[in-house]
Amino acid sequence: GQQLNQSPQSMFIQEGEDVSMNCTSSSIFNTWLWYKQDPGEGPVLLIALYKAGELTSNGRLTAQFGITRKDSFLNISASIPSDVGIYFCAGSDSGNTGKLIFGQGTTLQVKP
Amino acid sequence: EAEVAQSPRYKITEKSQAVAFWCDPISGHATLYWYRQILGQGPELLVQFQDESVVDDSQLPKDRFSAERLKGVDSTLKIQPAELGDSAMYLCASSPSGGLYGYTFGSGTRLTVV
Repeated sequence: GQQLNQSPQSMFIQEGEDVSMNCTSSSIFNTWLWYKQDPGEGPVLLIALYKAGELTSNGRLTAQFGITRKDSFLNISASIPSDVGIYFCAGSDSGNTGKLIFGQGTTLQVKP
Repeated sequence: EAEVAQSPRYKITEKSQAVAFWCDPISGHATLYWYRQILGQGPELLVQFQDESVVDDSQLPKDRFSAERLKGVDSTLKIQPAELGDSAMYLCASSPSGGLYGYTFGSGTRLTVV
C-alpha cells in the first residue's frame, strides 16, 4: 500500500531556532496536509496544500507541495515552547475520497 | 466551535473481552471515519462511512472488528474479542461531504488491552 516517509523522526532544538521536516511518498498525492498532535488529543490541521508547487504560510509555519507531487516540507520559524508536539504529514490519494495516508510523525521538543 | 465527540476517553480491558467506542460527528457531516493510531505511528484508516453506508472498510480486521452508523449520525466501533495488539488510540473524524474541507478529528479513545 501507499506509504509516507517522514523525517526526521525527532528533533530537539533551542527556542528561537528554525525547524524543517519533510515527507516523501512512493506515489503521487493530490493533496498534502500537515497536522500537529498534542499528547492525548487528535490531530489538528495546520496547513493544507492543493496544487503542485504551492507554497503556503500560516503564521510562523510554511509548507510546500513538491513539484513531483511525491513530497512536501514544513518549516517552523522562530520556534517557541508551545510548538512542542508531534507533527504529521498526510496525503489524500485520489478523487477527494477523504482517505488520508499519514507519515510516521516528527516529534519536536523545544528547549526554552 | 463544533467538535467531534468521542467516548470514552480511556478504556482498559482484558484480553478476549469485548469493547466498544462511540463517536458523534459534527452536526451535518455526512462522512465519518474511524482511524487507529498505534503508539509512535501515524493514524491508519479502518473504516469510512458515507451517511449510513460503508464506503471503505478494506483495512478493518473483520474477524474481530465491526462498525456501524445505523441512522447516519453517530457511530460505534466494536472489538470482540480484544487482543493485546489492539492497544492503540482510536480516532474518529468527520467531514461534510467526503472531501477534505471541514475534516475534523475527535480527541480519540485510548485503549489498553491487558
